[in-house]
Amino acid sequence: KQEVTQIPAALSVPEGENLVLNCSFTDSAIYNLQWFRQDPGKGLTSLLLIQSSQREQTSGRLNASLDKSSGRSTLYIAASQPGDSATYLCAVRPLEGGGNKLTFGTGTQLKVEL
Amino acid sequence: NAGVTQTPKFQVLKTGQSMTLQCAQDMNHEYMSWYRQDPGMGLRLIHYSVGAGITDQGEVPNGYNVSRSTTEDFPLRLLSAAPSQTSVYFCASRRDSSNQPQHFGDGTRLSIL
Repeated sequence: KQEVTQIPAALSVPEGENLVLNCSFTDSAIYNLQWFRQDPGKGLTSLLLIQSSQREQTSGRLNASLDKSSGRSTLYIAASQPGDSATYLCAVRPLEGGGNKLTFGTGTQLKVEL
Repeated sequence: NAGVTQTPKFQVLKTGQSMTLQCAQDMNHEYMSWYRQDPGMGLRLIHYSVGAGITDQGEVPNGYNVSRSTTEDFPLRLLSAAPSQTSVYFCASRRDSSNQPQHFGDGTRLSIL
């Protein structure tokens, strides 16, 4: 059974700092990996999706990498801002068995302070 | 652009009551899913659908029922509410089986007394 772990569970950084969020998964047979952002009381917003054949994806100040063989992904946030404060979740889609069966991590709660 | 719309946003039920959580999407997506989010456990898949008339069970289907009569709508029914079903419920959709991101609604916060 796929297990997804995100460490740390919470992170507080000063504004302007570059930071890395970690996601690890136990089964490397994945179709893709997706990073989401969740604001309090809201749903999930997709940030980046990395296909299994890709090594990284970039969107603005965000860069996500994927090392499928080691079961790891990182989300790099450059020049963090208070508006980046949210919970960040990663989710993996299995290679087989249905495209709806995402397995989620429990998230990293990020606080960017002024 | 509405995306994925869930109603109601909040609901309080008594044990044993039944209710339906509504989910609608206006993006003509084939894939739709229901998840529940509990503290410390991440999101867990309840039921999903790969098209109108096709549904299947996810990781935690017991106590829930779904149907998919149209592409747009995917309601989740609680048959006889139990306190263990207190949770935040999210509906999600995706265009198809390809490498497309999932889109989520804002959730329904459900408390069972």
